[in-house]
Amino acid sequence: AQSVTQPDIHITVSEGASLELRCNYSYGATPYLFWYVQSPGQGLQLLLKYFSGDTLVQGIKGFEAEFKRSQSSFNLRKPSVHWSDAAEYFCAVDETDSWGKLQFGAGTQVVVTP
Amino acid sequence: DGGITQSPKYLFRKEGQNVTLSCEQNLNHDAMYWYRQDPGQGLRLIYYSQIVNDFQKGDIAEGYSVSREKKESFPLTVTSAQKNPTAFYLCASSDRNEQFFGPGTRLTVL
Repeated sequence: AQSVTQPDIHITVSEGASLELRCNYSYGATPYLFWYVQSPGQGLQLLLKYFSGDTLVQGIKGFEAEFKRSQSSFNLRKPSVHWSDAAEYFCAVDETDSWGKLQFGAGTQVVVTP
Repeated sequence: DGGITQSPKYLFRKEGQNVTLSCEQNLNHDAMYWYRQDPGQGLRLIYYSQIVNDFQKGDIAEGYSVSREKKESFPLTVTSAQKNPTAFYLCASSDRNEQFFGPGTRLTVL
């Protein structure tokens, strides 16, 4: 079955430290890939997306993600975390022929400590 | 400002009652979606519509119904047939590049 896996349910990171969130997918072709962020009780905001081309994608709020076809991964990174980055992060996949129908991972909750 | 509005923000329902959640967008998007969010499960697709007067079931459509009479509006009805309706409901619309999400409605069944 096609799926999106975020292996880490919960990550705690110190302010100023680097952050990496993992995402793996199981689709036959290269899908469209997204990372969203959600603050408590709010909707989702798009951080970045990958459709094709350069496999290193820059997003908002200082985030970047790298697409690795050989590993079916699309990991999200930030070099230096700020307290405001505490939130839940979702990886999502859009099969290229489904036009916007997203499959989401279960999410990773990020806690930032002083 | 263009965006997606959902109302109400909080909704309480007694068991056995139907309830309708509102979703409106002024982004001129053809496609709209309803998701359900439960802790630890991410977002699951309930229904989606790619054009007015047409919609398709998502992964968890049982106990829900929708309509798409206008491009701007995609209301979701949670019926009494939905066994466990307490959840956070998110509406989204999309162009071909990105989905945009509303602020959500938290439904609690008493």
